[in-house]
Amino acid sequence: GAGVSQSPSNKVTEKGKDVELRCDPISGHTALYWYRQSLGQGLEFLIYFQGNSAPDKSGLPSDRFSAERTGGSVSTLTIQRTQQEDSAVYLCASSFRQTGGFWYEQFFGPGTRLTVL
Amino acid sequence: TQLLEQSPQFLSIQEGENLTVYCNSSSVFSSLQWYRQEPGEGPVLLVTVVTGGEVKKLKRLTFQFGDARKDSSLHITAAQPGDTGLYLCAGASIGRHGSSTNAGKSTFGDGTTLTVKP
Repeated sequence: GAGVSQSPSNKVTEKGKDVELRCDPISGHTALYWYRQSLGQGLEFLIYFQGNSAPDKSGLPSDRFSAERTGGSVSTLTIQRTQQEDSAVYLCASSFRQTGGFWYEQFFGPGTRLTVL
Repeated sequence: TQLLEQSPQFLSIQEGENLTVYCNSSSVFSSLQWYRQEPGEGPVLLVTVVTGGEVKKLKRLTFQFGDARKDSSLHITAAQPGDTGLYLCAGASIGRHGSSTNAGKSTFGDGTTLTVKP
């Protein structure tokens, strides 16, 4: 499959534990995004990687959240000392620059449903 | 901070009815996208509009971008149960003065949950 993949699909953890969520973007896509979504709600922007530029971390809710993108491909979102309010679906998306320099479509993965007990 | 407001938040209609979903902002966007999301899946792009006043049609769906590129609407004709889902609008912007500071970053609305009953 050539789509965006995320793992695990579901993660249940205890409060205070660390979790790592993985995203494999579409090959060749230079932009990668992480979002958080509560049930039936819109997407909350977390972090954005664009090529070799410094990531835009402006959406990370606290210093417990961090993300890396290795080799311009796979990305890992890490949440340390998880709290119950971290429970949500975490979505990853990738994109590429269209002709003319505008970024258009984001291709989303199926998400990771995180439950913090 | 750019914000996108969607209305209504929830919409429940009978099969065959028409509906319109709105996406409004005080900010100007270079392009605006509409996505549809089904439970357990990520959003999937329906359309991108880039020109003020642009109208695009996708079968029973009609999308319009406002003249000032601050708002958009999605109209569905003769809705079907298969149209059920969460509809999200997303505005894309480019940085000022050619800067790529926020190029590629989109702002998403809070979504409209549509239920079409058979």
